[in-house]
This record gives sequence, C-alpha cells and structure tokens, in this order.
Amino acid sequence: AQKITQTQPGMFVQEKEAVTLDCTYDTSDQSYGLFWYKQPSSGEMIFLIYQGSYDEQNATEGRYSLNFQKARKSANLVISASQLGDSAMYFCAIKENFGNEKLTFGTGTRLTIIP
Amino acid sequence: NAGVTQTPKFRVLKTGQSMTLLCAQDMNHEYMYWYRQDPGMGLRLIHYSVGEGTTAKGEVPDGYNVSRLKKQNFLLGLESAAPSQTSVYFCASSYRKRPGLAGGADTQYFGPGTRLTVL
Repeated sequence: AQKITQTQPGMFVQEKEAVTLDCTYDTSDQSYGLFWYKQPSSGEMIFLIYQGSYDEQNATEGRYSLNFQKARKSANLVISASQLGDSAMYFCAIKENFGNEKLTFGTGTRLTIIP
Repeated sequence: NAGVTQTPKFRVLKTGQSMTLLCAQDMNHEYMYWYRQDPGMGLRLIHYSVGEGTTAKGEVPDGYNVSRLKKQNFLLGLESAAPSQTSVYFCASSYRKRPGLAGGADTQYFGPGTRLTVL
C-alpha cells in the first residue's frame, strides 16, 4: 500500500525567503508519480508539480522545485522567493503507475507567509 | 476551457435525503474521480471511472453510487444521506498516459469542490 507522510502541520515563513515543505512516501512499486497540490483558503486544489520515479532530474516549475531523493523516499517541495499569495495548504500525493488508480494524499502542511 | 466544473457548490441535506453531484470536464480526459476531504485527513478516493460506461470503487465507496453515461460527465449519488457524509467533495479528471520508464503517471486536475452538510 502507498502512503504519504507530511510531518509539518504548519509553517511560518518571512516573505521573500525560500521554504521547504517535507514529504516522505512509501510504496512497493518501482514505477510511480509524485505530485504537489496547493489548496488556498478559497478551497480549490491546484496542481503545482510532478516528479516521475524514473526521472533523473528534479522537476522544476517556475518558483517551485521538487527535491527528489529516491533512496530516502522523500519528495520535498521547495518554493523560492516566497510571496504572500503562497499562503495555503500544501498536499503531497503519490500514484502508482500500474493497476492502482488511487492518488494517495498526505495530511498537508499549512504554510503562512509573513509580510 | 472551463476545465473541471462541479454543481452545486454548496448543499445542505437532512438525514435520509438523496442528492446527486455533477462533475463535468471539457478536456477530453478518459479518467474521472470523486474524492472527499475531511479535516485532518487529506483527500480519499470514493469512486472512479476509466472511461464512458465504466465505474470502480475507491477507498471509501460505501453510501455512494456513481455513473458515467457520457465521457465528459461523472455523477456522484447519495441515496440516503448520513451526517458522516458531511464533507467537501472534489471531482478530478486525467488523461491516461502510457506508463514507461520516464514516469508516466497521469496528473489529476481538480474541480472547485462541493461543500455538503448533512443535518
């Protein structure tokens, strides 16, 4: 069974600083994908970034990058130059590529950016 | 493109009442999903569909039924609502990429959610 652990329930970060949100995962599959979603106070789930298990380079999307350490089973999200609009809940999720259609989410980290 | 839309946005039901939540997507995605989000628990998969006319159970299917009569629509039904079904419901959709060595997992795109309260 696949599992996501996010150990930081809440974080406070000064505006313009970089922030790392932790995510560790557990899966028995060799082929899987890791995802990060943002959920602002308005409630929608916004896809941020994806990392495939066989991707050799860390994924990047604008200010978002994913620090993927396969041997340690970690997929931390790094947000550079944080902005007030980054304040939200952030969810890490995993999906195995074969057979299992379930996207398994962690419990999330609430990020608050301080001006 | 509107992406994934959900109807209604809010609903209050009494115990035992029935209702249907509608999800529509205009991205020609093969796969569609229904999740529920409860405080402190993240999202959990209720049912999903891998194509028109097909449905399958997810992690928490009890008390719900679904139908996928058209590729673009996925309906979630509650036949006899219970207070334990008070939650925020999200619909999602995705392509099914061919899995391969270079990743291949399909990104799921979510609708705005429906907040359901059962009294």
